Amino acid sequence: DGGITQSPKYLFRKEGQNVTLSCEQNLNHDAMYWYRQDPGQGLRLIYYSQIVNDFQKGDIAEGYSVSREKKESFPLTVTSAQKNPTAFYLCASSPGFRESSGANVLTFGAGSRLTVL
Amino acid sequence: AQRVTQPEKLLSVFKGAPVELKCNYSYSGSPELFWYVQYSRQRLQLLLRHISRESIKGFTADLNKGETSFHLKKPFAQEEDSAMYYCALSVQYRWGGSEKLVFGKGTKLTVNP
Repeated sequence: DGGITQSPKYLFRKEGQNVTLSCEQNLNHDAMYWYRQDPGQGLRLIYYSQIVNDFQKGDIAEGYSVSREKKESFPLTVTSAQKNPTAFYLCASSPGFRESSGANVLTFGAGSRLTVL
Repeated sequence: AQRVTQPEKLLSVFKGAPVELKCNYSYSGSPELFWYVQYSRQRLQLLLRHISRESIKGFTADLNKGETSFHLKKPFAQEEDSAMYYCALSVQYRWGGSEKLVFGKGTKLTVNP
């Protein structure tokens, strides 16, 4: 069953701690994305990666870090520098720019809800 | 800079009434636009894209470059259409490939019985 798996579904963190959210896909997609979803704010892009070993900052990258060592994995670390980390985080993937059709049609994971205590 | 605006946070209609969810964009390149939908307790998913010119679940959307709009329409709303709807713009690399999607803030549609 192809898709995107995000874990954990719920995560609680104490202030000052870093936390890593997992995102794995078996769709053989080149591109992967992290969005943050807040009520009334829509989806805001944190980081994205069009290819393995390369990634770019999105609109709200401060306080976050990512890695893309494998095609199927794109973990997101929420660091203690992120001032307001409590949010719902969505991972997505797409075939990528090398596909002529559907290159930017995103498949989304179920999300991870992070709460800072 | 690229931007997607959905002016209505909430939209409420009665079953059988027409519905229109507004989306305006700002983009210097050639626009490629999408509507994504999130039903309760489900994942965000693609509803339709303008280049497909399809009607999905009775919804249509026409790209109007003059008005920089991509409004989503359905002539007769159903209760199962109640969901969160997001308009999205594909930002392209200079050579034409898709770089990323920029989303609007979303409109929550409620269809009342």
